This record gives sequence, structure tokens and C-alpha cells, in this order.
Amino acid sequence: EVQLVESGGDLVQPGGSLRLSCAVSGVSFSDFWMHWVRQIPGGGLVWVSRISADGATTTYADSVKGRFTISRDNAKNTLYLQMNSLRVEDTSVYFCARDHPGSSSVVLDVWGQGTTVTVSS
Amino acid sequence: SYVLTQPSSVSVAPGQTAKITCGGNNIGFRNVHWYQQRPGQAPLLVVHDDDDRPSGIPERFSGANSGNTATLTINRVEAGDEADYYCQVWDSDSGRGNVVFGRGTKLTVL
Repeated sequence: EVQLVESGGDLVQPGGSLRLSCAVSGVSFSDFWMHWVRQIPGGGLVWVSRISADGATTTYADSVKGRFTISRDNAKNTLYLQMNSLRVEDTSVYFCARDHPGSSSVVLDVWGQGTTVTVSS
Repeated sequence: SYVLTQPSSVSVAPGQTAKITCGGNNIGFRNVHWYQQRPGQAPLLVVHDDDDRPSGIPERFSGANSGNTATLTINRVEAGDEADYYCQVWDSDSGRGNVVFGRGTKLTVL
């Protein structure tokens, strides 16, 4: 069974930094693109970033470009999201998700339970 | 950037059929995916590529996509179907690409 477990969420001051992790098990992690998606409590889903299976290609939402960095360690089966220059509006639950390998489109077929990031002074 | 429009809420009685729409410019030319999110839980993929169901998703869930509207249909609605539903597409026209979600539809089972 594929499992994604996020960690690293915390309370941080505006302007601060945080690194989220997503540990993946039950699947060959290095075969899949991966994503980060966030959700304000009571709000909708907002895509943040994605990374290719080999880590060579990354894409970001405009709202986080230049502040957030997605990366992965295929030897450790772990996905990361380095978040710098955090803003109050970055407060969200952050989910990692796998890109569905059997689709010709980009679709997220397995999700973690999320980790909460709160940016507040 | 590409915009997906969903009704904020849909209500249906148990045993009836729920239809949740997702509007977008020429969305029929795109692959549309649907997620269910129950309160306090992670999203769950229920339909992908317009009308395919992942393993384990009941046949009661189906999708269609044509013109400017995609539709998620839930037949014989059950209390456990009460959740938020999001549509999603991949917008390859914007820069290096962008995953776009609709704002979600709250399905209430009366």
C-alpha cells in the first residue's frame, strides 16, 4: 500500500523559514513525479509545486515562486518543500501527493494526510 | 490563467442522483479529474481523465466532459458521500504548466 506521511509543519513568524518533508513508502518513489498542494482551513485546494521523478524539473505556482523550493531524495524516499520568506497568507495545511503514473494528464492519485503551517507573529 | 467554476453547494436526498458541474473554457478538450474530501481528511481521487474510476471507487461515481462543462455524477447517493468535491485540470498553456483546481462544491445529503 502506498503511504505518504508529511511532517515539519509548525508555527513560524513572518519572514521565517520552514522545511516540510513527505516520507513515501510502499512504492518505487523514484518512478513518480510528486506535488505539494495546500489548503487554508475551510478553503479550497491550491497547487503549490511539482517535481519530476529524477528531480531535474520543477514547477511552481506564481504565489510561491522565488520563495519555496521543492526537492527530493530518492535514496531516502522523501520529498521536501523548503519555504523561505514566509507570509501570513502561507498559513495552510500542506499535502504531498503522487502524480498518477497511468494518466496522460497530471492527476494526483495518492495524498498524504497533511501538515499544518501557521505563519503568525 | 485557466479558471474552473463550480457551484458552491449541491443538495440531494439519499438514493437520488447528484450532479456536480465544473465549467471552463473549452474544458471538453482537457482531461478533468475529480476529488472527494471529507471533513478533516485528505482529498481522494474518485474520477480521473474525465470518466475513469480508480480501483476501489464505487461504480456509482461517474464523469463526463464536453464543451464548456464537465460533470461528476453520483448515483444512489449515500450519507457517506457528503463531502467537498473538487475538479482539476492541468493547464499546460501557462508557462511551465499549472495544476488548476475548482473552488469546490459542498455536497449535502439531506
